[in-house]
Amino acid sequence: GIQVEQSPPDLILQEGANSTLRCNFSDSVNNLQWFHQNPWGQLINLFYIPSGTKQNGRLSATTVATERYSLLYISSSQTTDSGVYFCAVERLRETSGSRLTFGEGTQLTVNP
Amino acid sequence: ETGVTQTPRHLVMGMTNKKSLKCEQHLGHNAMYWYKQSAKKPLELMFVYNFKEQTENNSVPSRFSPECPNSSHLFLHLHTLQPEDSALYLCASSRWGGALPGDGYTQYFGPGTRLTVL
Repeated sequence: GIQVEQSPPDLILQEGANSTLRCNFSDSVNNLQWFHQNPWGQLINLFYIPSGTKQNGRLSATTVATERYSLLYISSSQTTDSGVYFCAVERLRETSGSRLTFGEGTQLTVNP
Repeated sequence: ETGVTQTPRHLVMGMTNKKSLKCEQHLGHNAMYWYKQSAKKPLELMFVYNFKEQTENNSVPSRFSPECPNSSHLFLHLHTLQPEDSALYLCASSRWGGALPGDGYTQYFGPGTRLTVL
């Protein structure tokens, strides 16, 4: 199966700082999603980005499919950005539903 | 609010109990999923239902029994669990089938049920 590696595993920032999270994957993919898991366990969709660049407010993401990596940028970080950021990928199969393979996540802590 | 709800949010059960987790999606999706998230581990896919039919069982022990009566509801029946089954159980839904939409088959997750087995 596809392997997904995220780095760094842990990241501590001061409020207002910028950061870059990385996701490497071992095979070509049809789907790549970034999620934020808050301290209560809720997974929030951030981006669907199998290729290209997208921006949403202070967050942006870039996937370079040919080189098998994706980057999530967080600018002007806030304490509410704290939590775990997951990258998940899949190769679509014709037979049935989507199957995401998750990385181990980056634990982000933003201090005031 | 993602459009996917789960109940209960917390559950404590003994190893001999029988309980059920419920998931409901209000997004008009036709595929639903159960995931398990143990401490310090990535999310693991357990089951996939597509148009109410189970299409994947990812080597899950039989003490976990899924049920999908329709495309909007998904249950996970639990019986004779072990303490190592304590985890966060997450439900998700997505579209499936037909031409690939612009946002792909994006999965949307519920808030999870935090299960503790004593």
